[in-house]
Amino acid sequence: EAGVVQSPRYKIIEKKQPVAFWCNPISGHNTLYWYRQNLGQGPELLIRYENEEAVDDSQLPKDRFSAERLKGVDSTLKIQPAELGDSAVYLCASTPGRGNTEAFFGQGTRLTVV
Amino acid sequence: EDQVTQSPEALRLQEGESSSLNCSYTVSGLRGLFWYRQDPGKGPEFLFTLYSAGEEKEKERLKATLTKKESFLHITAPKPEDSATYLCAVQKIHTDKLIFGTGTRLQVFP
Repeated sequence: EAGVVQSPRYKIIEKKQPVAFWCNPISGHNTLYWYRQNLGQGPELLIRYENEEAVDDSQLPKDRFSAERLKGVDSTLKIQPAELGDSAVYLCASTPGRGNTEAFFGQGTRLTVV
Repeated sequence: EDQVTQSPEALRLQEGESSSLNCSYTVSGLRGLFWYRQDPGKGPEFLFTLYSAGEEKEKERLKATLTKKESFLHITAPKPEDSATYLCAVQKIHTDKLIFGTGTRLQVFP
């Protein structure tokens, strides 16, 4: 069974440029999460989807970040414009449904803003 | 304020030298406590979920325990392949959000 797939693995951009990350969760998983992990820190939740509905986006910086999950399957996270402080690893995770405890993570996208 | 604190930040062990990692938490309404393993350049990998004080779970050389204020991850006779960062996270009642600690970076030397 394929795991959570993220792309790209690495991205280097100049500040003020836009960037997008893509995530394909495990087949059949209704709940999808985007986390951000800074160096030496634990992941921090940005947004959670139940199917195509964003049910928790309280920590998403909405002035520059946006996300979508059309048709309740794969998802895209976008930053526009990027800032130096956005450099981090962006992780996608999925679970079969709400309340399920075991979240499966992708390998992440390492973003470097220069 | 909900908080998860892990200690030590880093731990170096000789192969076969058993030890424990600590995760202390303050959260209003604990639903579950999770342990994850993270290798460099990879996403976290699920290890255990603990739900109530007194609960214990084991997997190979790892055993996780839970009290009302903290959890321990005991590593018995570790091997170099156990080297990784171990993350603790708590999940609150009525939410699926995981609040992670900063992790313990474990290095096991042969």
